[in-house]
Amino acid sequence: DAKTTQPPSMDCAEGRAANLPCNHSTISGNEYVYWYRQIHSQGPQYIIHGLKNNETNEMASLIITEDRKSSTLILPHATLRDTAVYYCIVRPRGADGLTFGKGTHLIIQP
Amino acid sequence: DAGITQSPRHKVTETGTPVTLRCHQTENHRYMYWYRQDPGHGLRLIHYSYGVKDTDKGEVSDGYSVSRSKTEDFLLTLESATSSQTSVYFCAISDQTGAISGNTIYFGEGSWLTVV
Repeated sequence: DAKTTQPPSMDCAEGRAANLPCNHSTISGNEYVYWYRQIHSQGPQYIIHGLKNNETNEMASLIITEDRKSSTLILPHATLRDTAVYYCIVRPRGADGLTFGKGTHLIIQP
Repeated sequence: DAGITQSPRHKVTETGTPVTLRCHQTENHRYMYWYRQDPGHGLRLIHYSYGVKDTDKGEVSDGYSVSRSKTEDFLLTLESATSSQTSVYFCAISDQTGAISGNTIYFGEGSWLTVV
């Protein structure tokens, strides 16, 4: 299974862009990169996913390097409500479900 | 929000008693999952279902059983609850396996279970 590496914690000032890195150097060609977040005491919330191309939705942008060995989740204008644990997940071939790591605790500072 | 309802949301039970958690979805999705979340372990898959009456084990299935008699309901049963099963339980749904396409899994709001 492809594994991911994320920094355990990050700070970002409110109103600035939050850039969360993820390393997945052993990713296979047909594995997607997913990002979820979990705000304290709530269920994980889907943010975005991608295969090769960069993706953008109303919540965030996902930048995947050309070799697919790393990616960055960008929250363009972070707010205090974006404080959460962010999980970068690579979905293995044939897997039913998602395997969560420890994620990055993003703290948005006022 | 995905149409997922978990019940009960909070429960305290005694060691040795049976407990059933229910997950109800209104999305008509084929796949349903039960996860547990504990400090230091993150989210771990207990069981999942890929259709009515079709279920399989996840990473931490010991002590748990599941049933899916209808598309919309996925039940998680602790036959004889133990203190180690004190946890937050999350149900999740998706319409396809990620092995086929990059589909999305949506999570419920969780059920807090305390076994005393």
